[in-house]
Amino acid sequence: TQLLEQSPQFLSIQEGENLTVYCNSSSVFSSLQWYRQEPGEGPVLLVTVVTGGEVKKLKRLTFQFGDARKDSSLHITAAQPGDTGLYLCAGEKGGSEKLVFGKGTKLTVNP
Amino acid sequence: GAVVSQHPSRVICKSGTSVKIECRSLDFQATTMFWYRQFPKQSLMLMATSNEGSKATYEQGVEKDKFLINHASLTLSTLTVTSAHPEDSSFYICSATTGLSYNEQFFGPGTRLTVL
Repeated sequence: TQLLEQSPQFLSIQEGENLTVYCNSSSVFSSLQWYRQEPGEGPVLLVTVVTGGEVKKLKRLTFQFGDARKDSSLHITAAQPGDTGLYLCAGEKGGSEKLVFGKGTKLTVNP
Repeated sequence: GAVVSQHPSRVICKSGTSVKIECRSLDFQATTMFWYRQFPKQSLMLMATSNEGSKATYEQGVEKDKFLINHASLTLSTLTVTSAHPEDSSFYICSATTGLSYNEQFFGPGTRLTVL
């Protein structure tokens, strides 16, 4: 059973388009993190959301944590080829240092 | 800040040999480090949680005698793949927490292991 369902699994879009990646669960998380990973490299932390309903912006990226802290979304505005990569969401359950990872969304932005 | 390094970045070895991978936190002390493996086009699978000065905690299905973890100091954890076989070929990634806010994990660049 996958604790964190990420969708879509693959996404190929043209430069300038907008997109949203979803991360859903039936479990409550004390925090949720989004990472971006490029081939052959380790994941790089983009953002951590903690409070239900929280919205964080990082340039063209907007992250939202659901009110019930069970789901999150990542929205990219005016995508660029440099945004290409594997986007991973990871949730921390209360009382545990371990992260539960989604399967990832492979994003390709074509010039 | 929060930089994690791994060494080596790539290793090719013969079947039956042992391989050691180092994970270092460069600018912070990490009481907890994590070891993951990642197969092509898949997400990260947690192998074990490593705490400084104590035995590692392994996830279900991970052989502790095959994947030896030593967290010798607050900045260094090592993973030794013993008697490696081709099916152990994978991308191994470590991460570390600063112990500050929200258990954010900072990842190393990964080690590509190929067992011939």
